[in-house]
Amino acid sequence: EAQVTQNPRYLITVTGKKLTVTCSQNMNHEYMSWYRQDPGLGLRQIYYSMNVEVTDKGDVPEGYKVSRKEKRNFPLILESPSPNQTSLYFCASSTRANTDTQYFGPGTRLTVL
Amino acid sequence: AQSVTQPDIHITVSEGASLELRCNYSYGATPYLFWYVQSPGQGLQLLLKYFSGDTLVQGIKGFEAEFKRSQSSFNLRKPSVHWSDAAEYFCAVGEAGNMLTFGGGTRLMVKP
Repeated sequence: EAQVTQNPRYLITVTGKKLTVTCSQNMNHEYMSWYRQDPGLGLRQIYYSMNVEVTDKGDVPEGYKVSRKEKRNFPLILESPSPNQTSLYFCASSTRANTDTQYFGPGTRLTVL
Repeated sequence: AQSVTQPDIHITVSEGASLELRCNYSYGATPYLFWYVQSPGQGLQLLLKYFSGDTLVQGIKGFEAEFKRSQSSFNLRKPSVHWSDAAEYFCAVGEAGNMLTFGGGTRLMVKP
């Protein structure tokens, strides 16, 4: 089944404790991206990647890191999480670019205490 | 920078009534336009998209949207709403080779 998977789905952590949210797609997509969803603000793009080893900042990259060492994986790293990063996070992928249909993962709900 | 505005945060319609969700964008050239739907507890699913050509676009689940360049709008419509359409709807705009920008979303509630 074609899908985007994210892990974990739910995470409660404390300020400053490094964490990684994994994202994997099995559709051989080139474009992958991370969003955070906050009430009233819709989805805001954190980082995106046009292909392996090519990443770029979105609207709200501060406090986040990403890497794209393999085509299928695009982990989101929070080196020192803070409470303002409490949010719902979505990973998405598409065939080539942001102008193609995005396929979204199920979401990761992160709480930083 | 591109931006997307969805003026209505919440909309309530009766089942069987028509629906129109508004979307306005700010972008210099003709953008790539999308509508996505998010059911409770789910990720987002594409309803329809516009790149070029016919300005009236048909999507899944009986939805359609019309691109109006003069008004910088891409409003979503459905002639008869079903209870299962209750969800949050997001308009998005993409610039080739760059980011994808979403609006703040419109939450649709359907009265029986």
